[in-house]
Amino acid sequence: KNEVEQSPQNLTAQEGEFITINCSYSVGISALHWLQQHPGGGIVSLFMLSSGKKKHGRLIATINIQEKHSSLHITASHPRDSAVYICAVFGNEKLTFGTGTRLTIIP
Amino acid sequence: DAGITQSPRHKVTETGTPVTLRCHQTENHRYMYWYRQDPGHGLRLIHYSYGVKDTDKGEVSDGYSVSRSKTEDFLLTLESATSSQTSVYFCAISDHSFKQFFGPGTRLTVL
Repeated sequence: KNEVEQSPQNLTAQEGEFITINCSYSVGISALHWLQQHPGGGIVSLFMLSSGKKKHGRLIATINIQEKHSSLHITASHPRDSAVYICAVFGNEKLTFGTGTRLTIIP
Repeated sequence: DAGITQSPRHKVTETGTPVTLRCHQTENHRYMYWYRQDPGHGLRLIHYSYGVKDTDKGEVSDGYSVSRSKTEDFLLTLESATSSQTSVYFCAISDHSFKQFFGPGTRLTVL
């Protein structure tokens, strides 16, 4: 069993829909990261959080440490949000990654 | 954007040849990482460094070695490349906050 599990693996939605991507982990962590990888391959860090909730524009990330679960939400989704979203947990100076969720937003 | 570059960006080589990938940063960050990304596996840690001459293995370190003689440079060497090492390689850096900044990636093909 992977230490970091993401769901769904693939998600297709219409422009404007509310998007939720989930991440569950089985190890102790000091922080959780959400990353975005565009079709060109570049990886960008969206959020790093260890408790509660963070918001940046239309993106919201939450984490529940007791349940070992995090969610990434996108409000008013747009085709430019199409990308692979990767959850990663940080512990012992290292990141362990989920396999990613491929999001496609159709105009 | 964090100042992090990788070279080369693309490389095709033959089985059995040595290959060195370079990661260069201008941020003076303490931590540097090498990952590989393969379909179905996501990103996996190969080696990382927590200071000059201080390195440690990740989960997929077999067949790879690293060196860090300067803060700004972290080299990944494949002593004798194999087809299973065909992958996209990412370097990343982080400071004490452990937020990671990724390089643009190197696509390596071993024939």
